[in-house]
Amino acid sequence: NAGVTQTPKFRVLKTGQSMTLLCAQDMNHEYMYWYRQDPGMGLRLIHYSVGEGTTAKGEVPDGYNVSRLKKQNFLLGLESAAPSQTSVYFCASRTGLAGREQYFGPGTRLTVT
Amino acid sequence: ILNVEQSPQSLHVQEGDSTNFTCSFPSSNFYALHWYRWETAKSPEALFVMTLNGDEKKKGRISATLNTKEGYSYLYIKGSQPEDSATYLCAFRELSGSARQLTFGSGTQLTVLP
Repeated sequence: NAGVTQTPKFRVLKTGQSMTLLCAQDMNHEYMYWYRQDPGMGLRLIHYSVGEGTTAKGEVPDGYNVSRLKKQNFLLGLESAAPSQTSVYFCASRTGLAGREQYFGPGTRLTVT
Repeated sequence: ILNVEQSPQSLHVQEGDSTNFTCSFPSSNFYALHWYRWETAKSPEALFVMTLNGDEKKKGRISATLNTKEGYSYLYIKGSQPEDSATYLCAFRELSGSARQLTFGSGTQLTVLP
């Protein structure tokens, strides 16, 4: 099993450009999450999904959109990138069973100039 | 916004020393407390998921305790080794969260000096 994978690993964008980050998991997990990690701030939840076709806002959703058209994929979109979105983005997934951990992808480092 | 705090922010210890650090979280509406280990250039990996007051969990030289009534958890590392160098994250899950959402602390960065 590959676990949780993220594409791309690195990206540099100019202000105003758009892009989509792809998260894929092969563990048949129901729940998927997108986090951003900034120095001194830990992981902050951007958006999450409790199943195929459903998404919801997390703590810091502004400037991002998500879609979960297939159970194994969770896409994070930036429509008009801003320097404040420079960050490392982590995707995670977990089973719906109680008391289980989240599994994280390797991260995507995004720089917006 | 839930308040999950970890202390200290960073820690340097000598190889062989034992160490511990703290995670503080809300004492009400508790469901679970997670600990993750996060090595540089890798992704966070789960250490423990703790759900009951008084829980103690152990994995090798690493152990954790949980006090939900006062809202804290301790992570202990016995006989630290250089390979224990990492950031240790705790994450709180509240009872009312519908999507198993976690609120993360900012982590304790441990460096074990050989």
